Amino acid sequence: KAGVTQTPRYLIKTRGQQVTLSCSPISGHRSVSWYQQTPGQGLQFLFEYFSETQRNKGNFPGRFSGRQFSNSRSEMNVSTLELGDSALYLCASSPGSVSGNTIYFGEGSWLTVV
Amino acid sequence: DQQVKQNSPSLSVQEGRISILNCDYTNSMFDYFLWYKKYPAEGPTFLISISSIKDKNEDGRFTVFLNKSAKHLSLHIVPSQPGDSAVYFCAASALNYGQNFVFGPGTRLSVLP
Repeated sequence: KAGVTQTPRYLIKTRGQQVTLSCSPISGHRSVSWYQQTPGQGLQFLFEYFSETQRNKGNFPGRFSGRQFSNSRSEMNVSTLELGDSALYLCASSPGSVSGNTIYFGEGSWLTVV
Repeated sequence: DQQVKQNSPSLSVQEGRISILNCDYTNSMFDYFLWYKKYPAEGPTFLISISSIKDKNEDGRFTVFLNKSAKHLSLHIVPSQPGDSAVYFCAASALNYGQNFVFGPGTRLSVLP
């Protein structure tokens, strides 16, 4: 069974631009969550989508947004990029129960903001 | 305030011996815990989980122990292999948190041949 697929794997953007990252979950998984990993802050939860609705949200500014499509694929968008947004962005999928689910991560998208 | 702590940034173990990685948490609402290992430039790989209704879960060489009263869990790897060298993260979640897991800062394990 194919794992979580994230695209693109690497990208470089300029401060002030916006970026869209894509995630295809494991087949049959209905929940997609996004995490940011930086050396200073570790792995931090951004948001979770289930059945095209945002179900949970972490403590990130409104510049970070996401959406989920009817086939469970998800995108996240970061607008007005700042240098501090340089990070590994990880997508994870799970079957989608309210709790007690293991989440499975993709390889991540490395974003560098210059 | 860190809700999930891994107080040992690094750990070195001889091949064949036991590796014990520790994790402490402060939020008594946490009821589901996961362990991941991560190689550089890769996403975290799921290892093992435990729910708060259990105090132990085993999967092959990996065993996780949960002590709810102490808010402490540990991952035991026996026997340790050089391929186990990676960064290990514990993560915790609570009912109705959905897939909002709080991760510890990680412990870098080095298994020496």
